Amino acid sequence: ETGVTQSPTHLIKTRGQQVTLRCSSQSGHNTVSWYQQALGQGPQFIFQYYREEENGRGNFPPRFSGLQFPNYSSELNVNALELDDSALYLCASSFGRTGPGELFFGEGSRLTVL
Amino acid sequence: QKEVEQDPGPLSVPEGAIVSLNCTYSNSAFQYFMWYRQYSRKGPELLMYTYSSGNKEDGRFTAQVDKSSKYISLFIRDSQPSDSATYLCAMILYTGTASKLTFGTGTRLQVTL
Repeated sequence: ETGVTQSPTHLIKTRGQQVTLRCSSQSGHNTVSWYQQALGQGPQFIFQYYREEENGRGNFPPRFSGLQFPNYSSELNVNALELDDSALYLCASSFGRTGPGELFFGEGSRLTVL
Repeated sequence: QKEVEQDPGPLSVPEGAIVSLNCTYSNSAFQYFMWYRQYSRKGPELLMYTYSSGNKEDGRFTAQVDKSSKYISLFIRDSQPSDSATYLCAMILYTGTASKLTFGTGTRLQVTL
């Protein structure tokens, strides 16, 4: 158990809908990153939040947005869902710009878009 | 060209075999080199990491990095059925306060009895 919890674990949406995924960081962690893992692929970096501000973003369109709250939990929002958004969405928490030994992943939220 | 390329597999080996998993990368700014294990429908679990060229051993696992060739490997000795999983190489790039992981596509390993 890493202490990083994500919800929901599974959900099904239809094309054009909007979805919100949630991540609760490990205690004491102030940084959350989100990754998208399509079937048979490695995770791809979506963005990172540090102390409630976005401080890094991958090659994802603006319809992927996020929030980090004062308790350092986080949300990933995806608008206008497309079929290709079907994937496992992973969040990872850490304390600042840390090494890999202090970066912990949650179990993911599996999104299916029909 | 992808920043990180990983041998796609899948690999099927008998129990007790030595397994070699490999990745190449193109960005010399990567600072840490990691191997994650991912079981079906689970999040990635960190196996090993290193930041310098050379070998690092942990039990049955050895991570090898060659920065001059931009090549990393993971060796698993005496493989067990419980090692059956997808193995992901990953590298960290730090920019400002951000730390971004770039992953390979993963190699699926099956260890058979």
